[in-house]
Amino acid sequence: QSVLTQPPSVSAAPGQKVTIPCSGSSSNIGNYYVSWYQQFPGTAPKLLIYDNDKRPSGIPDRFSGSKSGTSATLGITGLQTGDEADYYCATWDASLSVGVFGGGTRVTVL
Amino acid sequence: EVQVEESGGDLVQPGGSLRLSCVASGFIFDRYSMIWVRQAPGKGLEWVSYIDNRSRNIYHADSVRGRFTISRDNAKNSLDLQMNSLRAEDTAVYYCARVRNYDSAGYYSLYFDFWGPGTLVTVSS
Repeated sequence: QSVLTQPPSVSAAPGQKVTIPCSGSSSNIGNYYVSWYQQFPGTAPKLLIYDNDKRPSGIPDRFSGSKSGTSATLGITGLQTGDEADYYCATWDASLSVGVFGGGTRVTVL
Repeated sequence: EVQVEESGGDLVQPGGSLRLSCVASGFIFDRYSMIWVRQAPGKGLEWVSYIDNRSRNIYHADSVRGRFTISRDNAKNSLDLQMNSLRAEDTAVYYCARVRNYDSAGYYSLYFDFWGPGTLVTVSS
């Protein structure tokens, strides 16, 4: 059971928007920045969003992040078949004194 | 170009030991913290062990504390993970990653900006 809660899957048609929620608590998301990672099957994760809403160089602006209270959200607009992957949120947890990941969300393009 | 690459994954019997290594290039290694993350087959990512740039702060997940030891050699740009008393549930792909962490606007930021391709550890008799 992950400390950060994500839905197992979300789906939408090409061109549409999906949002992936990541729910935590005051010991993690409430007081720390959140990052997001994209992972295709059989490959290493890739940084998508850091500091809640910042994109590394090379990440399209179709990907966005936000945070409110103890929850964070990843948004993907203009959905493409190439966006089909697993997405993970992550942050630090002060109670556990370790970093934590969400359980991951599989994005499916219908 | 920033690169990190793991090695050392293997098939090992329960109760056995294994040492993983990660070699970094393309950045000033001793300025960055590093981390090991693992992923069991068909499962999500799990934070394993963290070490800061001078080996002064080390954190291990509860699941590996007392069995795994993280270390680094800044002169060799290398990161290691010594794994003892291995269990079936340690079977996973192990990734090393570069850490970015700092305080910003009153909040602590921690994220992993470059990852290696991973190395597979299988614990089975």
